[in-house]
Amino acid sequence: QVQLVESGGGVVQPGRSLRLSCAASGFTLTTYGMHWVRQAPGKGLEWVAVIWYDTNNNYYADSVRGRFTISRDNSKNTLYLQMNSLTADDTALYYCAREKGAQTGIDSWGQGTLVTVSS
Amino acid sequence: DIQLTQSPSSLSASVGDRVTIACRASQTISINLNWYQQKPGKAPKLLIYATSNLQSGVPSRFSGSGSGTDFTLTISSLQPEDFATYYCQQSYSSPRTFGQGTSVEIK
Repeated sequence: QVQLVESGGGVVQPGRSLRLSCAASGFTLTTYGMHWVRQAPGKGLEWVAVIWYDTNNNYYADSVRGRFTISRDNSKNTLYLQMNSLTADDTALYYCAREKGAQTGIDSWGQGTLVTVSS
Repeated sequence: DIQLTQSPSSLSASVGDRVTIACRASQTISINLNWYQQKPGKAPKLLIYATSNLQSGVPSRFSGSGSGTDFTLTISSLQPEDFATYYCQQSYSSPRTFGQGTSVEIK
């Protein structure tokens, strides 16, 4: 069955970097749009980034553009989020999730990995 | 970027009540509006996609309607397991955006 398993979260100091991973199974990453969505403690969902079928077609939220990079390794069927210049505002639970297209919704989500930015 | 505004932000209701949550987009998004349910400590779950299509396994008491800029999620008879936070999300364009959420609490 479809499974998304995030890893790589942890406690990091402001200004440092972290790379999140999302291992997919039960489907092929390249046939879906793959998203990162985050949720700060006690807050709502915030969309972060998407990588579409064509890896040249990526989009980012204004809050992370220029600092975060979404990518994937097709041979490992794994999604990544490289996060640089982290601030306290980036503290959140980060979910990876998949979407087939504009009229299907985000139909599968991982359980999330927690990123805490603190000195 | 397309902004989504949900109303109300929270509501209290009783088991058996009919509940309606609204979502308004800052520009037309055709029917590209989805609804999610999130319970504490859990990942969001897709309920409805493309305005009115029920995701597989979702009870028929959930329904969605609307088009353009105004959309609605309706729970026809609230059940104990429906107490959660609900989010709308547009898939008309990137960046994708979510509404701020509506918390449905027990009265």
